[in-house]
Amino acid sequence: QVQLQESGPGLVKPSETLSLTCSVSGGSISGFHWSWIRQSPGKGLEWVGYIYYSGTTDYNPSLKSRVTMSIDTSKNQFSLKLRSVTAADTALYYCARDGYDSGWYYYDSWGQGALVTVS
Amino acid sequence: DIQVTQSPSSLSASIGDRVTITCRATQSIGRYLNWYQQRPGKAPSLLIYAASNLQSGVPSRFSGSGSGTDFTLTISSLQPEDFATYFCQQSYNTPRTFGQGTKVEIK
Repeated sequence: QVQLQESGPGLVKPSETLSLTCSVSGGSISGFHWSWIRQSPGKGLEWVGYIYYSGTTDYNPSLKSRVTMSIDTSKNQFSLKLRSVTAADTALYYCARDGYDSGWYYYDSWGQGALVTVS
Repeated sequence: DIQVTQSPSSLSASIGDRVTITCRATQSIGRYLNWYQQRPGKAPSLLIYAASNLQSGVPSRFSGSGSGTDFTLTISSLQPEDFATYFCQQSYNTPRTFGQGTKVEIK
């Protein structure tokens, strides 16, 4: 079964860049979309965006101007950068796999989450 | 953006009870609706996809129904391990959106 693990700084200063990496093990990163989802008490679960293994991306319009995702298939990793962070970006950040079956998409594997505090 | 609204936001139930949670979308999304369970301190876990398809390994007491704008998650006989928060999520288009969650607590 595929496993995902987020890594990155837990504390980021306001106006700086949040950087997280998700390492995928137990399966290939190829053939799938890979998402970042964040969770905060105020906003619940919020989709940040996804990246396809080919590098194609789709971001939440509410964050699009500040987000960049990248993927390294040789390392089985994908990454998130969120620029110009504020306290509103404080959240638990999850990476997740977009599983699919006959055209249906769903998050079938999740990392344990990385708490990022902006302060 | 498509909004998905869950109800109730919380409920209290006893072991063995039948529990129903609803999710309503702001526009028709066909059957592009998924359900997740989140236990405290854990990541969400997929229960149901495409409105009614049980994810592999999920107990059969969980079921989903609905299409268009109205959907239901049912737990036929609540077990101790089912006390958790449940979320719906639409996969009809992007941005993907989630319901606000329903917390199932012990009565």
